[in-house]
Order: sequence, then C-alpha cells, then structure tokens
Amino acid sequence: GAVVSQHPSWVICKSGTSVKIECRSLDFQATTMFWYRQFPKQSLMLMATSNEGSKATYEQGVEKDKFLINHASLTLSTLTVTSAHPEDSSFYICSAPPRQGAHGYTFGSGTRLTVV
Amino acid sequence: DAKTTQPTSMDCAEGRAANLPCNHSTISGNEYVYWYRQIHSQGPQYIIHGLKNNETNEMASLIITEDRKSSTLILPHATLRDTAVYYCIVGLTGAGSYQLTFGKGTKLSVIP
Repeated sequence: GAVVSQHPSWVICKSGTSVKIECRSLDFQATTMFWYRQFPKQSLMLMATSNEGSKATYEQGVEKDKFLINHASLTLSTLTVTSAHPEDSSFYICSAPPRQGAHGYTFGSGTRLTVV
Repeated sequence: DAKTTQPTSMDCAEGRAANLPCNHSTISGNEYVYWYRQIHSQGPQYIIHGLKNNETNEMASLIITEDRKSSTLILPHATLRDTAVYYCIVGLTGAGSYQLTFGKGTKLSVIP
C-alpha cells in the first residue's frame, strides 16, 4: 500500500531556531499533501495544504510566514517552523489524499517537536 | 460535510468484540462513512469506509443503519494493539474530494 515517510520522528530545538520536517511519498506521487498539528490530548487540526508547483493554502489563523511549506517535487513536501517558540511544541503530521481508486488517506508517522 | 458524534471513551476486554458507535444524523445521500484510528504518538490509519451496505475487511466490520444516521465499527477480537483513538468521519468519496475533519473520536482502551 501507499507509504508516506516522515522525518524526523522527534526533534528538540532552541527558541528562535528553525526546524524542517519532511514528508516523502515512497511508492506513489502526491501532488497534494496536508499538514496537521496536534496538541496533547486534542484532535488533529489542519494547518495547510501543499500543492506541487504552486503556493500552499493555509487554514485561518495559521501564520504562513511562520510555517513555511514547500512542495518541491511530486514525492516531497516540507514544513519549516521558523523562529520556533515553546508554544509551537506539538505533534506535526502530514497526509497524502487517496490515490485513484482508493479511499483512505495515508499519513506520515508524525514529528514530535519540542521547543526549549 | 456532515458532523459526527462519538462517545468519548470505551473499554473492551481483550479477545472480545469492540463495538464503536457513531451518529451522523445529517449525512447526505452521497456521503460515505469513513473510520480512522490513531495509536498513541503515531499518524492516523485508515480502517474502513461504507456508503449504505455493511462492509468488512481484514481490520474491521462496518455496520450502517438503514436510515444511514448511525454506524458501528466492529473489531471482532480486540487485542491490546487496538488501543487507540477511533475517528468516524463522513464525506464524499474520490481522491482528495472528502475533507478529513477530525472530531474528538472515541478513545478505546483494550484491557487484558
């Protein structure tokens, strides 16, 4: 089945630094990738949608200058958290939509970001 | 997309069937019912989906009422590895055409 590889699985960074999270579709091409954020004991919240070859679209309230999304190729989407602060500490997850003929979204394994 | 309502939490004894209910009374005629689960500190995993007929796959069974206003996900022989949060989502089918809006889901605890 479809696999989305997400790296790193966890990262600790200092306040003010930037962190890049990568999601790769391993055996298929993903022209779209969805990025979610999940705070402890809460549900997943959609942050933004990346589209290969065009600008990402952000959900209301998500700062596009802080969460930089790049969809450089049909198999790679990245999320960069810039000038990270402790309140950005969260679980970040990417997801590729169902391929043609399929019905299930494929999720990455998630990245636990801790900003100290 | 139609809204869903699920119990906050449920317990199930290991080896027994886990029946997870979901209400979706505002579902429209062409919307499917999808189930995902999220094991702690992992990304969600697709389980099963259905329109109006009952469905079964290697992971679970999905029972949808005749009026389609509710459904039940059945894990026939729950194991400790089935402990997770289960999300019921309704939407249209097709690649990318249904939006995944996650509610709070049901936290299923499988007890030894």
